[in-house]
Amino acid sequence: GQNIDQPTEMTATEGAIVQINCTYQTSGFNGLFWYQQHAGEAPTFLSYNVLDGLEEKGRFSSFLSRSKGYSYLLLKELQMKDSASYLCAVLDSNYQLIWGAGTKLIIKP
Amino acid sequence: GAVVSQHPSWVICKSGTSVKIECRSLDFQATTMFWYRQFPKQSLMLMATSNEGSKATYEQGVEKDKFLINHASLTLSTLTVTSAHPEDSSFYICSATCPGCGSQEETQYFGPGTRLLVL
Repeated sequence: GQNIDQPTEMTATEGAIVQINCTYQTSGFNGLFWYQQHAGEAPTFLSYNVLDGLEEKGRFSSFLSRSKGYSYLLLKELQMKDSASYLCAVLDSNYQLIWGAGTKLIIKP
Repeated sequence: GAVVSQHPSWVICKSGTSVKIECRSLDFQATTMFWYRQFPKQSLMLMATSNEGSKATYEQGVEKDKFLINHASLTLSTLTVTSAHPEDSSFYICSATCPGCGSQEETQYFGPGTRLLVL
């Protein structure tokens, strides 16, 4: 079956760095997305990776290793507003998006 | 670009009534739209994929006669929850892909969601 694993919850301190991991086993791979979802709101797009390596976008970076079925989202200089759930999603061979359950990130002052 | 709107944002209705939720792509044409449901503290659950001018493709376990989807134009898809019951109370979110928006074509852009409470 298809499976995406990410930690349920993480806690970090304001100003610090946090890495949220995502591992996947899917039928084929056409890219991996990270979305941010604040409580009570809809998800917003953060990043897309289809090739191995690191994609940097401001304070947020996303890394992909296709051979390991692994990705991470790196958040630097954490701010209180970064408290949210972070969803990992993989596009499979049929171009269907397979969603992880999300990682709730709690930022403490 | 790639702004998706939903209306209404909140609905409270009596059991047995039908509720229509609209999803619009404001600044692009969306040939494909998606409808999700999300229960509290749970992940997104895809209900159906809607292509303009054709019947929606429903996920396993989703009753197509209860959740009617109409994608009549390139900018509008509607979800009608027929004969709603309290167990249908949830957060309903639509999304759309935006070919030509400059990012990866399969990126989904989400509407703000509709909270449905069935009494």
